[in-house]
Amino acid sequence: EVQLVESGGGLVQPGGSLRLSCAASGFTFSDHYMDWVRQAPGKGLEWVGRVRNRAESSTSEYGASVRGRFTISRDDSKNSLYLQMNSLKTEDTAVYYCVRSLAVGGRNYFNFWGQGTLVTVSS
Amino acid sequence: DIQMTQSPSSLSASVGDTVTITCRASQGIKNYLAWFQQKPGKAPQSLIYAASSLQSGVPSKFSGSGSGTEFTLTISSLQPDDCATYYCQQHSAFPLTFGGGTKVEIK
Repeated sequence: EVQLVESGGGLVQPGGSLRLSCAASGFTFSDHYMDWVRQAPGKGLEWVGRVRNRAESSTSEYGASVRGRFTISRDDSKNSLYLQMNSLKTEDTAVYYCVRSLAVGGRNYFNFWGQGTLVTVSS
Repeated sequence: DIQMTQSPSSLSASVGDTVTITCRASQGIKNYLAWFQQKPGKAPQSLIYAASSLQSGVPSKFSGSGSGTEFTLTISSLQPDDCATYYCQQHSAFPLTFGGGTKVEIK
């Protein structure tokens, strides 16, 4: 059974840092691109960023609102995905979802979502 | 960035109805489109990828169509369990972008 379990969320002050983790199981983690998607309270979905698989050198892409502040990484030996968030702003308050992607026809589509972890940025 | 516009933003229909949600892209995205369902308080679930292919385990009451800039999600025989917010998303170019969502309710 595929599972993605996020952890590390909580309350942090503006300007602070937080590291989210996503523990994967039930599939060959190293084969898949992985993404982070967030959802502010009562709002829609926003893509945060992606890390490709080892075959693609684990390169990453980011949304404009987090580029330069957030870093996505992975440890295939631990079947884990990470999101390092620095210089946090109140507008980063959201539920953060870890998402597995599936390669189809030259694209990687979101295939399975974790349950999310809440990050609250407030003084 | 590619803008994704969904319509309507909400709809109310009767049990057994067929409902259609439209998603328009600000530029051509071929068939690089996905649909998701999100129930209140829950994580999104993937329904459709590549505009018309059903994710494994998704019932055939859900169907998708379209290419280029206009896409549709159709839900046949609407049931109370289908009450949710539905989002489209383009996978053509970074940044990956979502539509604003369509909330589906039972009349």
